[in-house]
Amino acid sequence: TQLLEQSPQFLSIQEGENLTVYCNSSSVFSSLQWYRQEPGEGPVLLVTVVTGGEVKKLKRLTFQFGDARKDSSLHITAAQPGDTGLYLCAGDWHGNKLVFGAGTILRVKS
Amino acid sequence: NAGVMQNPRHLVRRRGQEARLRCSPMKGHSHVYWYRQLPEEGLKFMVYLQKENIIDESGMPKERFSAEFPKEGPSILRIQQVVRGDSAAYFCASSLTSGGREQYFGPGTRLTVT
Repeated sequence: TQLLEQSPQFLSIQEGENLTVYCNSSSVFSSLQWYRQEPGEGPVLLVTVVTGGEVKKLKRLTFQFGDARKDSSLHITAAQPGDTGLYLCAGDWHGNKLVFGAGTILRVKS
Repeated sequence: NAGVMQNPRHLVRRRGQEARLRCSPMKGHSHVYWYRQLPEEGLKFMVYLQKENIIDESGMPKERFSAEFPKEGPSILRIQQVVRGDSAAYFCASSLTSGGREQYFGPGTRLTVT
C-alpha cells in the first residue's frame, strides 16, 4: 500500500499548456518534498513545504501544501519541453526517512 | 561545491559475488540515507546513518545487506552473495540536519546481477 498516492501517473501535453500533479495521503507529514528525476540520474530537489496551507513558487512552478498536511499539488504554467521528466513527491516520515510516491511521468511536446 | 557523489555509476556482478557501493555526502552533511529503486517501482528507503552510527535500518533486507558510515571516508552499502533480484538503482542522499527533510541525492549506482 502506497502511503503517498500521486496522480496522474502519466501526462502528455503540448508546449504552453498548464498542468497540475497531485500527491495525496491519509497520513500527516511534517514536511513534503517535490523532486524531479531525469532518466539515469538521481532525483533533484525542487522544493520543501512545511506549513499547512503553504504556497511556494519556483518560476513557472507553484507548490501547495494542504491545510491538514496530508496532500500537496504541483502546478506548472505554460509548460515547456524542458519540463519533461519524472516528478516525485516525498513525505518526511517519522523524521528519519522519505516516503516516495510512485511518480508522475510528464512529457511536454513542442 | 560538489554534490553527493556515488561510485561506481554502473556495477555488474555475477550471482554470488559481493557488491560495494560508495557514497560521499555533500560537504558539511553528516546524515546519509540509502534508497533503492527497483524497475517499475518507486524509491524505497533502506537505511539512515550518521557518522559511525546506524540510526534506522528498517528498510534493509535482513540478510546479505549491510551499511556503514565510518568516521573517515565514504558511506558504504555492501551486498553479499548478490542475486538477480538485487538488480536495481541504488541512491544515496545526504542532509545537513536530521529529521528526514531536505535530502539531496546522488546520481545513483546501477547494479546489474548476471
